[in-house]
Amino acid sequence: DAKTTQPNSMESNEEEPVHLPCNHSTISGTDYIHWYRQLPSQGPEYVIHGLTSNVNNRMASLAIAEDRKSSTLILHRATLRDAAVYYCILRDGARGQNFVFGPGTRLSVLP
Amino acid sequence: KAGVTQTPRYLIKTRGQQVTLSCSPISGHRSVSWYQQTPGQGLQFLFEYFSETQRNKGNFPGRFSGRQFSNSRSEMNVSTLELGDSALYLCASSRGTGNTGELFFGEGSRLTVL
Repeated sequence: DAKTTQPNSMESNEEEPVHLPCNHSTISGTDYIHWYRQLPSQGPEYVIHGLTSNVNNRMASLAIAEDRKSSTLILHRATLRDAAVYYCILRDGARGQNFVFGPGTRLSVLP
Repeated sequence: KAGVTQTPRYLIKTRGQQVTLSCSPISGHRSVSWYQQTPGQGLQFLFEYFSETQRNKGNFPGRFSGRQFSNSRSEMNVSTLELGDSALYLCASSRGTGNTGELFFGEGSRLTVL
């Protein structure tokens, strides 16, 4: 399985944008980039996913580098509720593999 | 629309016992996967079921097993419990096994083995 690398932790101030990086230098052409987050005492929840083009939804934006070896999850205005562990995961769309969660990035949001 | 429901939410067992955990997926979802989450190992994939067939299996001993019923509900069983099996067990459902389906997780079943 292709691996991802994320910082262990990050801090942000409330109402400011947050850029969460993810490196995936061994990504293959059929790997989709998925982001999930896990709030305290809850199961993970889907945030966003993409293949090659940048993606936007009501929760966040996903910016994918042109060579696809890295991506950035963007929270446009962080709130206290966004404090969570964020997981960047690659999943092979051709083989339908299971999701492999790494340690993720623990995001703290300061009021 | 009801989310993924896991029962029981909390349970305590002793070493050597067995446990069965249940997961009811979102209506219309046919794929159910199970994960174990511990502070030391993080989220680890156990297995995935689709239309009553196991499609993928993680690297866990044979004491961990599962099944899926015709209504897509799933159960996982752990036999001969060990202290190290104490964990949060998470179930997730999706429409299919393809890459386009996002996973919807339940709140988990927290197992403590004494």
